[in-house]
Amino acid sequence: KQEVTQIPAALSVPEGENLVLNCSFTDSAIYNLQWFRQDPGKGLTSLLLIQSSQREQTSGRLNASLDKSSGRSTLYIAASQPGDSATYLCAVNFGNEKLTFGTGTRLTIIP
Amino acid sequence: DTAVSQTPKYLVTQMGNDKSIKCEQNLGHDTMYWYKQDSKKFLKIMFSYNNKELIINETVPNRFSPKSPDKAHLNLHINSLELGDSAVYFCASSQNSVEQYFGPGTRLTVT
Repeated sequence: KQEVTQIPAALSVPEGENLVLNCSFTDSAIYNLQWFRQDPGKGLTSLLLIQSSQREQTSGRLNASLDKSSGRSTLYIAASQPGDSATYLCAVNFGNEKLTFGTGTRLTIIP
Repeated sequence: DTAVSQTPKYLVTQMGNDKSIKCEQNLGHDTMYWYKQDSKKFLKIMFSYNNKELIINETVPNRFSPKSPDKAHLNLHINSLELGDSAVYFCASSQNSVEQYFGPGTRLTVT
């Protein structure tokens, strides 16, 4: 069964610190992986997309890595800010035309 | 310009009613999706259409019927609404199953 897991479910970090969010998936034969951000009561904002052939993608203070062999992806956020507080969702396309989502990590940046 | 739009944003209705949610994308994408986010914030695929043809139909009750009049629109009609249908419904689109773009969501409350 193709599953995506995100641990921890919640994370609190002081402002300014660097942090890593984790995502693991059960099937290494993935097509691509997307990281999203969801603010309370809002929709999903796509942060980074990593194709199966890529090892990492960067956008500003965000860096996402992909290790298919171990079934893991990480989202690294540098110099965290209170505005980074949100739920971060990892979603995997296992090549079956749909995204399978993790349960998310709720991130709180403490000023 | 909104890339993926949904109407209405909020929908409150009574059990047994029939309701529709509309979705439109102006990105020129060929694939559109409906996802459901339950009370525990877990997102799961419901349907996917490619160029007006149904390609994914997860184990969704047949009270839910998607309709795609053209590749820019994917509507969701729900018959005989039940309490358990209360959730946030997200529409999304993609081109060639690459990056998915999500709409703002429709919060459905069944009383």
